This record gives sequence, structure tokens and C-alpha cells, in this order.
Amino acid sequence: QVQLQESGLGLVKPSETLSLTCTVSGVSVSSGSYYWSWIRQPPGKGLEFIGYIYYSGSTQYNPSLKSRVTISLDTSKNQFSLKLSSVTAADTAVYSCARGVVGGSYFDYWGQGTLVSVSS
Amino acid sequence: QSVLTQPPSVSGAPGQRVTISCTGSSSSIGAGYDVNWYQQFPGTAPKLLIYGNNNRPSGVPDRFSASKSGTSASLAITGLQAEDEADYYCQSYDSSLSARVFGGGTKLTVL
Repeated sequence: QVQLQESGLGLVKPSETLSLTCTVSGVSVSSGSYYWSWIRQPPGKGLEFIGYIYYSGSTQYNPSLKSRVTISLDTSKNQFSLKLSSVTAADTAVYSCARGVVGGSYFDYWGQGTLVSVSS
Repeated sequence: QSVLTQPPSVSGAPGQRVTISCTGSSSSIGAGYDVNWYQQFPGTAPKLLIYGNNNRPSGVPDRFSASKSGTSASLAITGLQAEDEADYYCQSYDSSLSARVFGGGTKLTVL
């Protein structure tokens, strides 16, 4: 059974870097059939695609966040991670990791999400 | 403001049919990119409801269907049930942004 679980600090100070990890079980992040994504949802608002990483290490980021985002892969731990730098209150959101299917544009498995608040 | 436009809310009585629209542009839905739909209950992760315009993952009732035409898509729910009350999001790809994009979401209320 495929499962994704986010972990990381729930409170980050303005101007600092948000760091989250997604631990995947039931499937290898080294599989060439999927890409590994981050999506966020500010409180009371809609979903926003952050970016994804493929097993090869290639990445695609939302242009609106590209200058501040880094997504990396740790195949030895079957995890992938998100770093978002220079955060502001506007980055407060529930951050979710999700699996995307190669050949499609959809996300078929999601983590439960974790709330990250940006506040001093 | 979301790249894909959805109505903020729709409602219907049990047993009725409701539709939720999703309007994109010539660089997203109009360019032929697939539209996918998600269902989200409060406090939970989105669940894939429809993929590739009109395909249902295993376990999704056939009361849910979707279509696409031009720069728009729509999700239809027939035989509305109280358990369908949730938020629904459309999602596609936008070539001008080089990114996957979501609609702003539609809250379905079952009267």
C-alpha cells in the first residue's frame, strides 16, 4: 500500500528556510513511473503546485516560487525533501507531498499534509 | 487568483445532478492538456476523483463523471448524496507557466 508522510518543523521565522521531508512507503522513489511532488494550501484557500522531482534528479518548479525552492531526493531513505527559502507570512500553508504518474499530469497518492506557520 | 476558474460554491438536493465547471485558457485546457479532478473533505488530503479528463480510479462511483470542451471542463455528480458534500478541485497543466495548475475549488453543499 502506497503511503506518503510529511515531517518537519511546523513553525518557521520570517526570512528563514522552511524544510520538510516526505517519507514514502509501498513504492520506491527510484521508480521511473512516478514523480514526487510538493503542493501547498494556504488556510481557507486553494491548492498551489510547488514542484516535483523525478528519480533521475530532474526537477520542475512553479515559476512563481522557483527562485526560492529546492526539491531533492534521498533514494537510500526512500524520501524526498522540500526547502523554501526567505519565507514570509504568505508561505503559511498546509504542505502536502504527492505522487505524480509519468505520462499523466495527475497526483494519485497524497500525504495527509502538515501545517507550516511563518511567524516570529 | 487561480489559473483555472471554478465557481466558489454549488448546491443540490439529494438525488439531483450537479455540475462544477472549470475554465482555463488556450495555454491550459484549450491546448489539449488533461483535466483532473480531486475531492477534499475538511482536514483531509485531496483524493483523486477523475484523471485524464474522464477516467475514474478504482473505487470511485460511476455517479462521478467529467468532460472537456474547448477551454473548459466540467465535473458531473448524479444521484447526489449527503456524503458528496466536500470541496472539489480541477487541475491541469499550463504551458505558458510550465506548471501544473489548480482551480480555486468549489464547495458542494447537499441541501
